[in-house]
Amino acid sequence: AQSVTQLDSHVSVSEGTPVLLRCNYSSSYSPSLFWYVQHPNKGLQLLLKYTSAATLVKGINGFEAEFKKSETSFHLTKPSAHMSDAAEYFCVVSEWQRDDKIIFGKGTRLHILP
Amino acid sequence: GAGVSQSPSNKVTEKGKDVELRCDPISGHTALYWYRQSLGQGLEFLIYFQGNSAPDKSGLPSDRFSAERTGGSVSTLTIQRTQQEDSAVYLCASSLTSGESYEQYFGPGTRLTVT
Repeated sequence: AQSVTQLDSHVSVSEGTPVLLRCNYSSSYSPSLFWYVQHPNKGLQLLLKYTSAATLVKGINGFEAEFKKSETSFHLTKPSAHMSDAAEYFCVVSEWQRDDKIIFGKGTRLHILP
Repeated sequence: GAGVSQSPSNKVTEKGKDVELRCDPISGHTALYWYRQSLGQGLEFLIYFQGNSAPDKSGLPSDRFSAERTGGSVSTLTIQRTQQEDSAVYLCASSLTSGESYEQYFGPGTRLTVT
């Protein structure tokens, strides 16, 4: 069965510095992988998705993620953090070829320091 | 255009009572998903509908939970004999169809508090 682990529950970075949110997954098939963001008091929004095309995926708001099969990782990065990036980020894995279960990581709360 | 809507936004109920949570998906979206977000637990997938049928109900936590969807549109999540551990935010999402690459659009959620 698939699973996903977000390695940090909280990450703090200074404004203007790089962001790295880590995600490792486990899957017996070729998974689809997603990053969602949830701003305070708002619904979830898709940042980016990987679906077996290019391994480097570009998303909204300057975020990127790279699918590394050898490391079973799908880390989310951004070169320069902005105050508006403060939110909770969820890494998601699904195996559509096998079943339709969707597994969310427990989330990483990103804090941006002025 | 209109997004996914959920009602009520907040629900406080006494232990043992039944509750119904409603989700209105985006018009034309055939897939609909229910999730639960408990404090510190991340998101938990409960059930999804393709049209009116639910191919996978195994995410429902117990037989007190049930969901239905009628007319390929509105869905209702029912929790019978609520328990305090049912307290959570219940999120609904819809997508054009199910499958590997279709984006899910999330509603604002229903915050359920069981006292």
